[in-house]
Amino acid sequence: EVQLLESGGGLVQPGGSLRLSCAASGFTFSTFAMSWVRQAPGKGLEWVSTISGSGGSTYSADSVKGRFTISRDSSKNTLYLQMDSVRAEDTAIYYCAKAVRAAAGRYHFDDWGQGTLVTVSS
Amino acid sequence: EIVLTQSPGTLSLSPGERATLSCRASQSVNSNYLAWYQQKPGQAPRLLIYGASSRATGFPDRFSGSGSGTDFTLTISRLEPEDFAVYYCQQYGSSPLTFGGGTKVELK
Repeated sequence: EVQLLESGGGLVQPGGSLRLSCAASGFTFSTFAMSWVRQAPGKGLEWVSTISGSGGSTYSADSVKGRFTISRDSSKNTLYLQMDSVRAEDTAIYYCAKAVRAAAGRYHFDDWGQGTLVTVSS
Repeated sequence: EIVLTQSPGTLSLSPGERATLSCRASQSVNSNYLAWYQQKPGQAPRLLIYGASSRATGFPDRFSGSGSGTDFTLTISRLEPEDFAVYYCQQYGSSPLTFGGGTKVELK
């Protein structure tokens, strides 16, 4: 059974930094792309970033490009999202998702974690 | 960027009724790379349909997806109590990956 467990969320001040983690189990982590998808309170879903299975390719939404960095450690079966220069509009539940590749940069998401809440406020 | 518009925003129906949800894309979705997700309150989204019409594991055949190009439809043939939720479409034919705004299927 696929399990994805996010951690690292919390309250952070505007301009600050936070690192989210997602511990994965139940599948061969290194063979699957992984993604972060967020959901602002009461709003819809927004794709944030994806990293290939090897870690050699990353893709990010324009809204976070240059501020957020996705990475992975296959020795620990863990996905990360380094969030720098955060803004109020980054406030959301951040979901870790296992990504199914249709083509380079083209993914849908077949398993999701329960999410971790990030609140950006002074 | 492909913008996905879902309609209606809210669908008020009774158990046993048929639900028809629409997802319209601002431009053609390559290879019909269109997915649907179900989200219940306080829960993570769950993959329901991929490739426009392939049903994900665990969902019964009362759920079906159809469409191509710019117009896609999710149909629930006979609503069960557990089907009341929010449904999102997502296109993965072009970068950036985008989601629709969602359709809430609520109990009438």
